Amino acid sequence: KQEVTQIPAALSVPEGENLVLNCSFTDSAIYNLQWFRQDPGKGLTSLLLIQSSQREQTSGRLNASLDKSSGRSTLYIAASQPGDSATYLCAVYNNNDMRFGAGTRLTVKP
Amino acid sequence: KAGVTQTPRYLIKTRGQQVTLSCSPISGHRSVSWYQQTPGQGLQFLFEYFSETQRNKGNFPGRFSGRQFSNSRSEMNVSTLELGDSALYLCASSFVGTFQETQYFGPGTRLLVL
Repeated sequence: KQEVTQIPAALSVPEGENLVLNCSFTDSAIYNLQWFRQDPGKGLTSLLLIQSSQREQTSGRLNASLDKSSGRSTLYIAASQPGDSATYLCAVYNNNDMRFGAGTRLTVKP
Repeated sequence: KAGVTQTPRYLIKTRGQQVTLSCSPISGHRSVSWYQQTPGQGLQFLFEYFSETQRNKGNFPGRFSGRQFSNSRSEMNVSTLELGDSALYLCASSFVGTFQETQYFGPGTRLLVL
């Protein structure tokens, strides 16, 4: 059974800092991995999707990497801003199912 | 372009009742997926419908069912409600499929089972 873990559970950083969020999964036979952002009361937003054949995806200040062999993905956020404060979730898809991590709650302080 | 809409936004039911939630995808999207989010279990995938057919299914009991209509609108039904079904139910839509591309999420329906 696929298990997805996100570390740390919470992170607080000052504005402008570069940061890395981690996601690990137990079954490396994944089809793809996605990163999401959830804002309180505002729902879920897809950020990046990495197919199993890809190593990374970039969107603006966000860069997600995937290392299937080690069962890890990282989400790198450059020059963090207070507006980046949210919960970030990763999810992996395999065996016709999708498993989510518990998320990392990020606070960026002005 | 209108986003994903979900109705109702809030719902209170009692144990044993059944409930139907509705999701209208973004125009042109043929895939609709449903998710359950609870404080204890986090976010979990329920199922995906594409062109009126269930294409993927998560690990939920048969009390959870869904369907999709020819206009891609989808409904999710939960029968014989249990206290543990209290959750935020999210739906998401995309052009070709939940697991192939970016999904767009609705605001969710918050269900409380008493």
